Amino acid sequence: AQKVTQAQTEISVVEKEDVTLDCVYETRDTTYYLFWYKQPPSGELVFLIRRNSFDEQNEISGRYSWNFQKSTSSFNFTITASQVVDSAVYFCALSEAENTGFQKLVFGTGTRLLVSP
Amino acid sequence: KAGVTQTPRYLIKTRGQQVTLSCSPISGHRSVSWYQQTPGQGLQFLFEYFSETQRNKGNFPGRFSGRQFSNSRSEMNVSTLELGDSALYLCASSFGDEKLFFGSGTQLSVL
Repeated sequence: AQKVTQAQTEISVVEKEDVTLDCVYETRDTTYYLFWYKQPPSGELVFLIRRNSFDEQNEISGRYSWNFQKSTSSFNFTITASQVVDSAVYFCALSEAENTGFQKLVFGTGTRLLVSP
Repeated sequence: KAGVTQTPRYLIKTRGQQVTLSCSPISGHRSVSWYQQTPGQGLQFLFEYFSETQRNKGNFPGRFSGRQFSNSRSEMNVSTLELGDSALYLCASSFGDEKLFFGSGTQLSVL
């Protein structure tokens, strides 16, 4: 069975600090996708990144970066120079890569990030 | 391009009643998925529809059902509501096997 673990329930930082959100996953599939979503107070889940299991390259997008390590089954997310607007709940998710194109996401329990001014 | 639209935004029902939630996907998206979010269980997959066919279903009782119309709009129905059904219900749409785009959800409270 697939499982995603986000051990950090809540993280509090001061603006401009760097913060890393941890994600560890379990799957028996050889092909899968990993995701990060952000959930602000409005409720909708905002897509941040999707990573294919065959692509272990780290990625940087502005102040966001992701470190994917298959050897440790981790897909960690770092926010550099955090801002108050980054305050939200962040979810890591895993899905199978089915031929049908369907993606059923298995979510972690989320990490609440509080950035204070 | 308009995002995923869910209606209503808030809903209050009493035990034993039934409820229908609506989801309009992004134009051109044919896949619609539903997720339930609760403080205790987190985000859990309910079901997914593609071209009016249910392709997969999560581990929820038969009281939870859904359907998709020819214009890809989807509804989910919960019959005989229980207190534990109180949750944020999120709908997501996608084009093929790409990323899911989520709506703001319907907050259901069962009293």
